[in-house]
Amino acid sequence: KAGVTQTPRYLIKTRGQQVTLSCSPISGHRSVSWYQQTPGQGLQFLFEYFSETQRNKGNFPGRFSGRQFSNSRSEMNVSTLELGDSALYLCASRGAGGIYNEQFFGPGTRLTVL
Amino acid sequence: KNEVEQSPQNLTAQEGEFITINCSYSVGISALHWLQQHPGGGIVSLFMLSSGKKKHGRLIATINIQEKHSSLHITASHPRDSAVYICAVGWGNTPLVFGKGTRLSVIA
Repeated sequence: KAGVTQTPRYLIKTRGQQVTLSCSPISGHRSVSWYQQTPGQGLQFLFEYFSETQRNKGNFPGRFSGRQFSNSRSEMNVSTLELGDSALYLCASRGAGGIYNEQFFGPGTRLTVL
Repeated sequence: KNEVEQSPQNLTAQEGEFITINCSYSVGISALHWLQQHPGGGIVSLFMLSSGKKKHGRLIATINIQEKHSSLHITASHPRDSAVYICAVGWGNTPLVFGKGTRLSVIA
């Protein structure tokens, strides 16, 4: 069974630009969560999609948005990039069962904003 | 909001030592996860606990729901165990809340 994949793996952007990151979950998983990881803040929850609907949202500004497609693939978009958006962005998928299910993480997209 | 505290933040051990990493949380949960992150970023789920104790190879995880505390133990530590260990807690379908992680270095 293929794992969670994320593209691209590395990205360099400049302030003010926008970026779209992609995540393909494990086949059969309908829940996809996105996280931002920085050295100072650790892992922080961005949002979770389940069956194309946003089920949970973290405390991030509206510049951060996401969506999920009918095949469970998910994208997140960050508009008007700021230097502080430089981070490792991870997505994770899990099966039905919510918190009791193991989350499978992708390798992450490392975003650098110059 | 659940606050998750891990200790220690950093840990250096000699190969073969028994290691304990602790996680405390402030609000009742339905499950706690232990995760391992190697340099380069990849995160692997080690355990999901809702009660008691689980063992996998040299790793043992315990949880005390009443005391809101969990421990991750590594027996006979090895340099390949060097990684960041992260505790995460949650309830139902709510998002996981993560600790800041414990950075473990095992020296041969």
